[in-house]
Amino acid sequence: AQKVTQAQTEISVVEKEDVTLDCVYETRDTTYYLFWYKQPPSGELVFLIRRNSFDEQNEISGRYSWNFQKSTSSFNFTITASQVVDSAVYFCALSDFNSGTYKYIFGTGTRLKVLA
Amino acid sequence: ETGVTQSPTHLIKTRGQQVTLRCSSQSGHNTVSWYQQALGQGPQFIFQYYREEENGRGNFPPRFSGLQFPNYSSELNVNALELDDSALYLCASSLGSHRGARYEQYFGPGTRLTVT
Repeated sequence: AQKVTQAQTEISVVEKEDVTLDCVYETRDTTYYLFWYKQPPSGELVFLIRRNSFDEQNEISGRYSWNFQKSTSSFNFTITASQVVDSAVYFCALSDFNSGTYKYIFGTGTRLKVLA
Repeated sequence: ETGVTQSPTHLIKTRGQQVTLRCSSQSGHNTVSWYQQALGQGPQFIFQYYREEENGRGNFPPRFSGLQFPNYSSELNVNALELDDSALYLCASSLGSHRGARYEQYFGPGTRLTVT
């Protein structure tokens, strides 16, 4: 079965602290895609990053970095030197083609509050 | 580049009625997905259309149906509305293939549906 688990419901940090958002996924497919999206208070979901199951290379993009580990089925997201504008709900998502049909599964989200 | 647009912004319907929501995809995208997002929850995948054909579906009953038009715009139709259908309905467009969305999705602002 497909599943995306974001165990952290809400995290509060003080500005300039580093913060890591956890994501654990389940899938039977060998080819799948993982995503992170951000939903700021304005409500519109914004794409942050995509990884396919064959690409375990971790990436740093400015203050953002991602750690993909197939061995633990995790795809964690780190914000370095957090800012108030990073306050949002962050969703991890999985896309695969299981049992002959395509599905796209989102986690329940982690609400990040960055305090000034 | 025009982003994803949705109409209407808000809608109030009575239980048992039918509703049609509309979405215009981002220029160059051939795939449209629809999601239901209840308050405080992650988006739930309803279905996806690729080149006018449904190629993926979540765990939603048949009273949730859709269409994609030759210009890749899309409609979501919900029959026999229930109180639990009250939610934010999100449309997302992307490049795609018959095997699903391996690419990132770009979301519209959503339609807030209230069923009374």
